[in-house]
Amino acid sequence: GAVVSQHPSWVICKSGTSVKIECRSLDFQATTMFWYRQFPKQSLMLMATSNEGSKATYEQGVEKDKFLINHASLTLSTLTVTSAHPEDSSFYICSERGPLSNTEAFFGQGTRLTVV
Amino acid sequence: RKEVEQDPGPFNVPEGATVAFNCTYSNSASQSFFWYRQDCRKEPKLLMSVYSSGNEDGRFTAQLNRASQYISLLIRDSKLSDSATYLCVFYNQGGKLIFGQGTELSVKP
Repeated sequence: GAVVSQHPSWVICKSGTSVKIECRSLDFQATTMFWYRQFPKQSLMLMATSNEGSKATYEQGVEKDKFLINHASLTLSTLTVTSAHPEDSSFYICSERGPLSNTEAFFGQGTRLTVV
Repeated sequence: RKEVEQDPGPFNVPEGATVAFNCTYSNSASQSFFWYRQDCRKEPKLLMSVYSSGNEDGRFTAQLNRASQYISLLIRDSKLSDSATYLCVFYNQGGKLIFGQGTELSVKP
């Protein structure tokens, strides 16, 4: 069964609006959640690392004020795309590492965002 | 040099063929390697971990060559359902999960 539940699976929004994506850990408490973005025919690119109870760590080139991450509880991390623009249209996906270090990662189902 | 490189393909093969993918990595400190499979518009799913001694799971064989810094995936007796993008994945020295760009496989009848 799923270890990470992500929703919505797809969303279409108007340019300028904000979209919130949720990732919920189902099997164990994830203190760390990773957020990725994937454009067509490209690899998953890490956007930020979400840490429960503290500020997220953003990768170089990712605007923290545009991609707001909240990890208020051990089981829930959210990514909010603020003032979305068409170029933000992408596949967003979260993942958490297994309970042991250097083990496989478990992914949410992904969210396909289309900004029109 | 890129942290990870994969041949994007596509690899177009007939059913029953044997196909192999390679993935090279630049940092010798990289560890814990995996092959993931990603279907169109879906999340990546673990296909298999890659162990230093090489490992096999049915029609799939994975190998790690630390000296030459690459991992490989061999698929025997290809099925139509094997059509997907195969991602090599590993943890870098900083503990981050790094993804290759993926190799697209298309198995034809």
